[in-house]
This record gives sequence, C-alpha cells and structure tokens, in this order.
Amino acid sequence: EAGVAQSPRYKIIEKRQSVAFWCNPISGHATLYWYQQILGQGPKLLIQFQNNGVVDDSQLPKDRFSAERLKGVDSTLKIQPAKLEDSAVYLCASSFRELGGDTQYFGPGTRLTVL
Amino acid sequence: EDQVTQSPEALRLQEGESSSLNCSYTVSGLRGLFWYRQDPGKGPEFLFTLYSAGEEKEKERLKATLTKKESFLHITAPKPEDSATYLCAVKNSGYALNFGKGTSLLVTP
Repeated sequence: EAGVAQSPRYKIIEKRQSVAFWCNPISGHATLYWYQQILGQGPKLLIQFQNNGVVDDSQLPKDRFSAERLKGVDSTLKIQPAKLEDSAVYLCASSFRELGGDTQYFGPGTRLTVL
Repeated sequence: EDQVTQSPEALRLQEGESSSLNCSYTVSGLRGLFWYRQDPGKGPEFLFTLYSAGEEKEKERLKATLTKKESFLHITAPKPEDSATYLCAVKNSGYALNFGKGTSLLVTP
C-alpha cells in the first residue's frame, strides 16, 4: 500500500515570497492533516480536513496560510507571504476512519527554509 | 489545556543497555496515547496506540505502557538501528494529536 506522498521535499525561498506544498493521502483515507514541525519540537496541527471540509483550522495563521482539499483527495497548503519564522518541516498525515479516527500516517514532509 | 512532556530530551545508550523513555500528560478526556518514531529527514512512523490505564503493547524490542498520568516506552537490549527521535502524542475529545517535543535516542555499538 502506498503511503502519504508529499512534494516538493525541499524548498528554499526568500521572505515575502509565496510557496505551495502538495499532499496525496493514502487511498481511501477520509481525514487529512497538515502539521508544522519546527526544529527540536513535536509536530503542531495547522489544519484538519474531513473529506473536503475543514474540521479544525484554529491554529492556522489565516493571514498568510491557506489550504484546500479539492474533491476530498489531494491537498495543497500555501504560504503567502512567507516569514523567517515559517522555516520548518510541513508534514501531511491521513487517517482512515471518519471524525479523526485512530491512527494517523505521516508523509516524509517538506522542509522549508525562508531566507 | 492539554500538555505532553517527554523526558529525557536526549538519551545515549550502549548497545544492549535497556532503558525507558517517559511521557507525562494532562488531557481532558484521553482518547488515545500514541508513540511514533522519527528518523532524520523523515516523517513520524507509527509505533503504538494505548487507550486505557494498564494497557501494554509490544513490538520487537519496544514495549509501551500506560498509566493515568504517564506512559513509558521501554527499550530492551537496543541496537544502533533503534537510534531515532521518539515522539509521544495524546488525543482528547477533539481530533488532533498533541505532541511532546520528543526524546532523541542514540544507541552506540
């Protein structure tokens, strides 16, 4: 079974530029999550989708971050404009059962460096 | 507010030297405590889920246990390939995982 796919794996941009990350969850997984992991910290949830609807985006900095999940499958996370403190690994995860079921499976992440 | 504290932050073991990692938590309505392993440059890899105090789960050299306030990840006779960061996370009545900062484990030959 294929795992969660993410691209790109690495991205370097200058502050005030925009960037987008892509995620393809495990086939059949209804719930999709985006996490931000700053170096030395555990992952922090940014947004959670149930199919193509947003369940929780309370920790998403909405003035600069946006996310969408079209057709309830793939998802994109965008940052515009980026700040230095956005340098982190952005992880996508998915789970099978509805309403944020038990086990979340993570992709390899996208490492973002903002200069 | 949910809190997850992992200790120690870093641990260095000799191959074969058993030890335990600690995860202390406070959560309103625990709906699962999760252990993940994270290798450098990779996403977290699922290890265990524990749901109630007294529950234990094992996988190879790893054994996870749960009480009402903490969880332990016991590593028996570790090998160098067990070197990684081990993350603990709790889920409350919501749906998100609340992670600790992790314990970085290094096992030397």
